Amino acid sequence: QKEVEQNSGPLSVPEGAIASLNCTYSDRVSQSFFWYRQYSGKSPELIMSIYSNGDKEDGRFTAQLNKASQYVSLLIRDSQPSDSATYLCAVNGGSSASKIIFGSGTRLSIRP
Amino acid sequence: DGGITQSPKYLFRKEGQNVTLSCEQNLNHDAMYWYRQDPGQGLRLIYYSQIVNDFQKGDIAEGYSVSREKKESFPLTVTSAQKNPTAFYLCASSIFSYEQYFGPGTRLTVT
Repeated sequence: QKEVEQNSGPLSVPEGAIASLNCTYSDRVSQSFFWYRQYSGKSPELIMSIYSNGDKEDGRFTAQLNKASQYVSLLIRDSQPSDSATYLCAVNGGSSASKIIFGSGTRLSIRP
Repeated sequence: DGGITQSPKYLFRKEGQNVTLSCEQNLNHDAMYWYRQDPGQGLRLIYYSQIVNDFQKGDIAEGYSVSREKKESFPLTVTSAQKNPTAFYLCASSIFSYEQYFGPGTRLTVT
């Protein structure tokens, strides 16, 4: 079992709709959770961090964390073509507190 | 401007040559990391350092070496022992184990 799992996609969402990206993790004592966006050929860019159960909103982005289910998600409202990218889920803490473990990413495509 | 710089952006080398990739940060972050990314793949950790003069192997350290003589700098050497060195190399830094911030990356091609 991978430590951080994401559906590779591609996930195709119409412009203006809500894109929902999901991630599960295996280390039950993980404490910190991150979402990165990576455009093709570029480096990852941090878009959200979440540390406690529940929702965290920042503009059009909402991160959701459920530690009991070991599940973290990212919702993108009013999706724009510029949101088309690969989204990486990352988890740290627990038994690997000094490292962040990255998922392989979900490729998101927003169709006009 | 605070940030992480990597140089060069593109690097071409012949097989059998060692090559050193530069990573500098002025964010006053303690921890620095090197990752490798192959086309269509996720990030794989090569080495990381949480403090000056100390570093640990990541998941794919074979064929690579690093040094951390200054807080701001964490260069990566890709040695001739690395069997498939062509990849996109990413450097990141963080305050201990919190959010990591990435440099722009170096794309290495070995022929």
